[in-house]
Amino acid sequence: GAVVSQHPSRVICKSGTSVKIECRSLDFQATTMFWYRQFPKQSLMLMATSNEGSKATYEQGVEKDKFLINHASLTLSTLTVTSAHPEDSSFYICSAKMGTSGYEQYFGPGTRLTVT
Amino acid sequence: GQNIDQPTEMTATEGAIVQINCTYQTSGFNGLFWYQQHAGEAPTFLSYNVLDGLEEKGRFSSFLSRSKGYSYLLLKELQMKDSASYLCAVANSGYALNFGKGTSLLVTP
Repeated sequence: GAVVSQHPSRVICKSGTSVKIECRSLDFQATTMFWYRQFPKQSLMLMATSNEGSKATYEQGVEKDKFLINHASLTLSTLTVTSAHPEDSSFYICSAKMGTSGYEQYFGPGTRLTVT
Repeated sequence: GQNIDQPTEMTATEGAIVQINCTYQTSGFNGLFWYQQHAGEAPTFLSYNVLDGLEEKGRFSSFLSRSKGYSYLLLKELQMKDSASYLCAVANSGYALNFGKGTSLLVTP
């Protein structure tokens, strides 16, 4: 149980285009989902916290108009990188937290984005 | 602010024991996590400490001292497959994780 999927696993796009990444909790309802990114040889950095049915909370330095997050249902959150640039190339990972209590969160397998 | 420190790299021999330390200074604390991450993959959960003391789970143990802002991950009977990056992360009140930069562990024969 407690499986989180991400789609796509890899994507290459041209500079200036937009890319949507999906994060799904397959066998549980996730009231909260988190989005992280990881640059090569660096650790994960929290980008935003997404609660179902409400606006995402972005970390300082993360542009909310560039990284659009939609958490429309209890099993799906999407991250759209708008007008992507090469510096947005990174490994994007989501995690999902079950319920409002407890500490466990489950990570998706990640999406490798390359902007050319 | 958040400040989480751990060594960048460590090397240990197969069969040995290694301890990876983590110190933290954070504005909120809702527990400390350790994750293992292989290159190009998502992190996998190893342990969670919210109270002081030692949590043991098989070959892995994790310790927490909240008053000292200190944790360690202890790996026993090291195996080659334990070569990976080990991430220390502190949860805020909403359980979002702030990660340290990770410790790259190399296990040698």
